[in-house]
Amino acid sequence: GDSVTQMEGPVTLSEEAFLTINCTYTATGYPSLFWYVQYPGEGLQLLLKATKADDKGSNKGFEATYRKETTSFHLEKGSVQVSDSAVYFCALGNSGTYKYIFGTGTRLKVLA
Amino acid sequence: SQTIHQWPATLVQPVGSPLSLECTVEGTSNPNLYWYRQAAGRGLQLLFYSVGIGQISSEVPQNLSASRPQDRQFILSSKKLLLSDSGFYLCASPMGGASTDTQYFGPGTRLTVL
Repeated sequence: GDSVTQMEGPVTLSEEAFLTINCTYTATGYPSLFWYVQYPGEGLQLLLKATKADDKGSNKGFEATYRKETTSFHLEKGSVQVSDSAVYFCALGNSGTYKYIFGTGTRLKVLA
Repeated sequence: SQTIHQWPATLVQPVGSPLSLECTVEGTSNPNLYWYRQAAGRGLQLLFYSVGIGQISSEVPQNLSASRPQDRQFILSSKKLLLSDSGFYLCASPMGGASTDTQYFGPGTRLTVL
């Protein structure tokens, strides 16, 4: 069945470091892929998305590329800031199965 | 635009008591609807989803159940709560109604089972 696997956290980085959070998926058909972010005390909000293979989603300096050959959607940012500290969730939405599932989340802590 | 309402906002219940959480959606028709649980320090676990009235798919076998009596109403229930049912319950629906759209979330219900 459909599933999303993302790297365990927490991830602790210094300000201006490079960030990668790995996400892989299994799904039938051609799902859309998403990254959501949850800041402390807030709800989930969409960070970026990609709807087909080779699409690149980007927002606020974050980007992720839909790689069908490796079934991956890794999140990257070239230079993180303290304000990026949050929990990041990878997710997939599958129009074939109607499932919309999330990974377990990766907590990012950025130190000044 | 789409709005998702949930109630109650918080709930404290004893073990073995029943549960009923309600979710209603405005601003769309025939939406796909989802129930998730976010336990403390953990991710979102998909519990149930529905693509139409009376249609319920269960993702995790447990003592919870869901029903969809009306197009824009989704109810999560239990006959007897367990301690492990504590958590933050979120109702959600994709922005454009399709499973490939951005997920809108309701404000959530925080359930504590004592």
